[in-house]
Amino acid sequence: AIQLTQSPSSLSASVGDRVTITCRASQGISSALAWYQQKPGTPPKLLIYDASSLKSGVPSRFSGSGFGTDFTLTISSLQPEDSATYYCQQFNSDRLTFGGGTKVEIK
Amino acid sequence: EVQLVESGGGLVQPGRSLRLSCAVSGFTFDDYAMHWVRQAPGKGLEWVSGISWNSGSRGYADSVEGRFTISRDNAKNSLYLQMNSLGAEDTAFYYCAKSNGFYYYSYMDVWGKGTTVTVSS
Repeated sequence: AIQLTQSPSSLSASVGDRVTITCRASQGISSALAWYQQKPGTPPKLLIYDASSLKSGVPSRFSGSGFGTDFTLTISSLQPEDSATYYCQQFNSDRLTFGGGTKVEIK
Repeated sequence: EVQLVESGGGLVQPGRSLRLSCAVSGFTFDDYAMHWVRQAPGKGLEWVSGISWNSGSRGYADSVEGRFTISRDNAKNSLYLQMNSLGAEDTAFYYCAKSNGFYYYSYMDVWGKGTTVTVSS
Protein backbone atom coordinates (compact mmCIF):
# COMPACT_ATOMS: atom_id res chain seq x y z
CA ALA A 1 0.00 0.00 0.00
CA ILE A 2 1.08 3.57 -0.64
CA GLN A 3 2.45 5.17 2.52
CA LEU A 4 1.89 8.82 3.37
CA THR A 5 4.31 10.58 5.70
CA GLN A 6 3.17 13.84 7.24
CA SER A 7 5.43 16.39 8.84
CA PRO A 8 5.61 17.79 11.35
CA SER A 9 3.58 15.53 13.62
CA SER A 10 2.68 18.57 15.69
CA LEU A 11 3.24 22.29 15.68
CA SER A 12 2.41 25.32 17.75
CA ALA A 13 1.86 28.68 16.09
CA SER A 14 0.37 32.07 16.85
CA VAL A 15 -2.82 33.56 15.50
CA GLY A 16 -2.05 35.16 12.16
CA ASP A 17 0.92 32.92 11.39
CA ARG A 18 1.32 31.12 8.10
CA VAL A 19 1.34 27.37 8.69
CA THR A 20 2.51 24.69 6.27
CA ILE A 21 2.02 20.94 6.63
CA THR A 22 3.66 18.51 4.25
CA CYS A 23 2.59 15.07 3.07
CA ARG A 24 4.96 12.81 1.16
CA ALA A 25 3.80 9.72 -0.70
CA SER A 26 5.94 6.61 -1.03
CA GLN A 27 5.22 6.59 -4.77
CA GLY A 28 3.69 8.97 -7.24
CA ILE A 29 -0.05 9.55 -6.82
CA SER A 30 -0.64 12.28 -9.41
CA SER A 31 -3.02 14.74 -7.73
CA ALA A 32 -5.10 12.08 -5.97
CA LEU A 33 -4.81 13.61 -2.52
CA ALA A 34 -7.25 15.05 -0.01
CA TRP A 35 -6.83 16.93 3.25
CA TYR A 36 -9.10 16.67 6.29
CA GLN A 37 -9.46 18.58 9.53
CA GLN A 38 -10.50 16.79 12.71
CA LYS A 39 -11.33 18.38 16.04
CA PRO A 40 -11.54 16.28 19.22
CA GLY A 41 -14.70 14.23 19.53
CA THR A 42 -15.89 15.02 16.02
CA PRO A 43 -15.59 13.28 12.62
CA PRO A 44 -13.09 14.54 10.04
CA LYS A 45 -14.13 17.27 7.65
CA LEU A 46 -12.95 17.48 4.06
CA LEU A 47 -10.96 20.64 3.31
CA ILE A 48 -9.13 20.03 0.03
CA TYR A 49 -9.52 17.43 -2.71
CA ASP A 50 -7.57 16.65 -5.87
CA ALA A 51 -4.54 18.17 -4.10
CA SER A 52 -5.56 21.79 -4.56
CA SER A 53 -9.34 22.14 -4.90
CA LEU A 54 -11.00 23.85 -1.97
CA LYS A 55 -14.25 22.31 -0.83
CA SER A 56 -17.17 24.72 -0.99
CA GLY A 57 -17.64 26.53 2.33
CA VAL A 58 -14.07 26.04 3.53
CA PRO A 59 -12.35 29.34 4.37
CA SER A 60 -10.01 30.60 1.66
CA ARG A 61 -7.09 30.78 4.10
CA PHE A 62 -6.75 27.04 3.50
CA SER A 63 -4.96 25.97 0.33
CA GLY A 64 -3.33 22.86 -1.04
CA SER A 65 -0.62 22.24 -3.59
CA GLY A 66 1.56 19.50 -4.96
CA PHE A 67 1.71 16.69 -7.48
CA GLY A 68 3.31 13.28 -7.62
CA THR A 69 4.88 12.59 -4.24
CA ASP A 70 5.07 15.92 -2.42
CA PHE A 71 2.08 17.89 -1.18
CA THR A 72 1.42 20.77 1.17
CA LEU A 73 -1.50 22.16 3.10
CA THR A 74 -1.14 25.84 3.94
CA ILE A 75 -3.12 27.96 6.35
CA SER A 76 -2.31 31.51 5.30
CA SER A 77 -3.34 33.20 8.55
CA LEU A 78 -3.95 30.85 11.46
CA GLN A 79 -7.16 31.40 13.39
CA PRO A 80 -8.10 30.08 16.85
CA GLU A 81 -10.73 27.77 15.33
CA ASP A 82 -8.02 26.08 13.23
CA SER A 83 -6.72 24.23 16.27
CA ALA A 84 -7.17 20.62 15.14
CA THR A 85 -5.44 17.59 13.68
CA TYR A 86 -4.97 17.53 9.93
CA TYR A 87 -4.73 14.38 7.79
CA CYS A 88 -3.83 13.77 4.19
CA GLN A 89 -5.34 10.83 2.29
CA GLN A 90 -4.42 9.33 -1.07
CA PHE A 91 -6.86 7.74 -3.50
CA ASN A 92 -4.55 6.80 -6.34
CA SER A 93 -4.73 3.08 -5.58
CA ASP A 94 -7.46 0.63 -4.60
CA ARG A 95 -6.08 0.58 -1.07
CA LEU A 96 -6.66 4.02 0.33
CA THR A 97 -4.34 5.33 3.00
CA PHE A 98 -4.10 8.27 5.40
CA GLY A 99 -1.10 10.12 6.69
CA GLY A 100 -0.31 9.94 10.39
CA GLY A 101 -1.73 13.38 11.14
CA THR A 102 -0.42 16.79 12.18
CA LYS A 103 -1.72 18.36 15.36
CA VAL A 104 -1.91 22.14 15.16
CA GLU A 105 -2.05 24.08 18.40
CA ILE A 106 -2.45 27.80 18.99
CA LYS A 107 0.20 29.49 21.13
CA GLU B 1 -29.63 17.42 4.79
CA VAL B 2 -27.13 14.64 4.20
CA GLN B 3 -26.98 12.26 7.16
CA LEU B 4 -25.01 9.11 7.85
CA VAL B 5 -25.88 7.33 11.09
CA GLU B 6 -23.80 4.39 12.25
CA SER B 7 -25.05 1.71 14.63
CA GLY B 8 -24.16 -1.75 15.84
CA GLY B 9 -21.04 -0.97 17.84
CA GLY B 10 -20.42 -2.26 21.32
CA LEU B 11 -18.33 -4.51 23.51
CA VAL B 12 -17.43 -7.87 22.00
CA GLN B 13 -15.12 -10.68 23.08
CA PRO B 14 -11.99 -11.53 21.10
CA GLY B 15 -12.68 -13.94 18.29
CA ARG B 16 -16.34 -13.01 18.03
CA SER B 17 -18.21 -11.15 15.31
CA LEU B 18 -20.04 -7.86 15.02
CA ARG B 19 -22.02 -6.18 12.24
CA LEU B 20 -22.02 -2.43 11.82
CA SER B 21 -24.71 -0.58 9.91
CA CYS B 22 -24.87 2.90 8.42
CA ALA B 23 -28.24 4.42 7.55
CA VAL B 24 -28.05 7.12 4.93
CA SER B 25 -30.40 9.95 3.98
CA GLY B 26 -30.33 13.23 2.12
CA PHE B 27 -28.70 12.06 -1.11
CA THR B 28 -29.17 9.42 -3.80
CA PHE B 29 -27.40 6.55 -2.10
CA ASP B 30 -26.91 4.37 -5.17
CA ASP B 31 -25.07 7.15 -6.99
CA TYR B 32 -22.10 6.99 -4.64
CA ALA B 33 -19.46 4.64 -3.31
CA MET B 34 -19.12 4.34 0.44
CA HIS B 35 -16.40 3.69 3.00
CA TRP B 36 -15.67 2.55 6.52
CA VAL B 37 -12.83 4.35 8.29
CA ARG B 38 -11.72 3.68 11.84
CA GLN B 39 -9.76 5.47 14.52
CA ALA B 40 -8.21 3.64 17.45
CA PRO B 41 -8.22 5.54 20.76
CA GLY B 42 -5.73 8.40 20.56
CA LYS B 43 -4.55 7.33 17.10
CA GLY B 44 -4.94 8.48 13.51
CA LEU B 45 -7.40 7.57 10.81
CA GLU B 46 -7.27 4.18 9.09
CA TRP B 47 -9.26 3.37 5.98
CA VAL B 48 -10.92 0.00 6.51
CA SER B 49 -12.96 -0.73 3.41
CA GLY B 50 -14.78 0.76 0.46
CA ILE B 51 -17.53 -0.35 -1.90
CA SER B 52 -18.60 0.99 -5.26
CA TRP B 53 -22.11 2.25 -6.03
CA ASN B 54 -23.34 -1.11 -7.33
CA SER B 55 -21.21 -3.36 -5.09
CA GLY B 56 -19.19 -4.30 -8.19
CA SER B 57 -15.89 -3.44 -6.57
CA ARG B 58 -14.80 -3.62 -2.99
CA GLY B 59 -11.51 -2.95 -1.29
CA TYR B 60 -10.03 -3.68 2.10
CA ALA B 61 -7.08 -2.61 4.17
CA ASP B 62 -4.49 -5.36 4.62
CA SER B 63 -5.25 -5.37 8.35
CA VAL B 64 -8.84 -6.54 7.84
CA GLU B 65 -8.84 -8.43 4.54
CA GLY B 66 -10.28 -11.90 4.96
CA ARG B 67 -11.98 -10.99 8.25
CA PHE B 68 -14.22 -8.05 7.35
CA THR B 69 -16.84 -7.85 4.60
CA ILE B 70 -18.39 -4.65 3.34
CA SER B 71 -21.82 -4.68 1.73
CA ARG B 72 -24.67 -2.35 0.89
CA ASP B 73 -28.39 -2.49 0.26
CA ASN B 74 -29.34 0.32 -2.10
CA ALA B 75 -33.05 -0.38 -1.60
CA LYS B 76 -32.62 0.30 2.11
CA ASN B 77 -30.10 3.14 1.78
CA SER B 78 -27.80 1.21 4.06
CA LEU B 79 -24.14 0.27 4.31
CA TYR B 80 -22.83 -2.61 6.38
CA LEU B 81 -19.56 -3.96 7.76
CA GLN B 82 -19.46 -7.58 8.90
CA MET B 83 -16.50 -8.00 11.22
CA ASN B 84 -15.34 -11.52 12.09
CA SER B 85 -12.48 -12.88 14.19
CA LEU B 86 -12.22 -9.62 16.06
CA GLY B 87 -9.08 -8.85 18.01
CA ALA B 88 -7.98 -6.13 20.40
CA GLU B 89 -6.41 -4.31 17.45
CA ASP B 90 -9.88 -3.75 16.02
CA THR B 91 -10.91 -1.64 19.01
CA ALA B 92 -11.70 1.73 17.49
CA PHE B 93 -14.26 4.32 16.59
CA TYR B 94 -15.77 3.33 13.22
CA TYR B 95 -16.97 5.99 10.79
CA CYS B 96 -19.16 5.56 7.75
CA ALA B 97 -18.22 7.98 4.98
CA LYS B 98 -19.61 8.91 1.58
CA SER B 99 -17.31 8.87 -1.43
CA ASN B 100 -17.54 11.64 -3.99
CA GLY B 101 -18.31 9.40 -6.96
CA PHE B 102 -19.30 5.95 -8.15
CA TYR B 103 -16.06 4.24 -7.19
CA TYR B 104 -14.46 3.92 -3.79
CA TYR B 105 -10.94 4.99 -4.85
CA SER B 106 -11.74 8.59 -4.10
CA TYR B 107 -12.00 10.98 -1.20
CA MET B 108 -14.69 11.15 1.47
CA ASP B 109 -16.86 14.24 1.43
CA VAL B 110 -19.38 13.45 4.16
CA TRP B 111 -18.84 11.53 7.40
CA GLY B 112 -21.10 10.04 10.03
CA LYS B 113 -20.58 10.61 13.73
CA GLY B 114 -19.27 7.07 14.23
CA THR B 115 -19.83 4.11 16.50
CA THR B 116 -17.48 2.56 19.05
CA VAL B 117 -16.25 -1.02 18.86
CA THR B 118 -14.43 -2.41 21.87
CA VAL B 119 -12.89 -5.88 21.70
CA SER B 120 -12.16 -7.20 25.16
CA SER B 121 -12.74 -10.23 27.32
